Amino acid sequence: QVQLVESGGGVVQPGRSLRLSCAASGFTFSSYDIHWVRQAPGKGLEWVSVISHDGSKKYSADSVKGRFTISRDNSKNTLYLQMNSLRDEDTAVYYCAKEQRYYGSGTFDFWGQGTLVTVSS
Amino acid sequence: DIQMTQSPSSLSASVGDRVTITCQASQDIRKYLNWYQQKPGKAPKLLIYDASNLETGVPSRFSGSGSGTDFTFTISSLQPEDIATYSCQQYENRPLTFGGGTKVEIK
Repeated sequence: QVQLVESGGGVVQPGRSLRLSCAASGFTFSSYDIHWVRQAPGKGLEWVSVISHDGSKKYSADSVKGRFTISRDNSKNTLYLQMNSLRDEDTAVYYCAKEQRYYGSGTFDFWGQGTLVTVSS
Repeated sequence: DIQMTQSPSSLSASVGDRVTITCQASQDIRKYLNWYQQKPGKAPKLLIYDASNLETGVPSRFSGSGSGTDFTFTISSLQPEDIATYSCQQYENRPLTFGGGTKVEIK
């Protein structure tokens, strides 16, 4: 069965960095685009970033552009999110989410359980 | 960016009631709309994709309709296990955007 397991969250001071990981299993990881989506406490869902199946294309929300970098290692079935210059407003649960279709569409058919990032001094 | 306006933000209904949630896009998104269910402390779950297609394994009491800018999500007969927050999401354009969510409670 499809599994996505995020890790790397924690408490970090503003301006510092953190790297999240998402370990995938149960499907052909290298065939699918994968996204990061976050949810601030008590708030709605916010799309963060996507990477194509082969890592050649990456897109990010304006709110994180220039600070967050998405990457993947298909040999390890793992997705990453390098988060630099963290701000209070980056506090959220971060989910990795798998694309439903090979060609990518923006539909998330499987999600991880999420990892909490708290930015606080 | 495409803004997704969802209403109501919360509702309370009785078991067996028909529940309807609407989602309006700020511009034409054709059929490129999904609906997700999120229970407290859990990840979202895909229920409806392409505005009206039921994801595999999702009960048939859930349905979606609409195209263009106006969309509707319906639970035909509310069950206790349907207590959750429901969110719409467009994928016509990046950035992908979500509605603010509708919290469904049992009366």
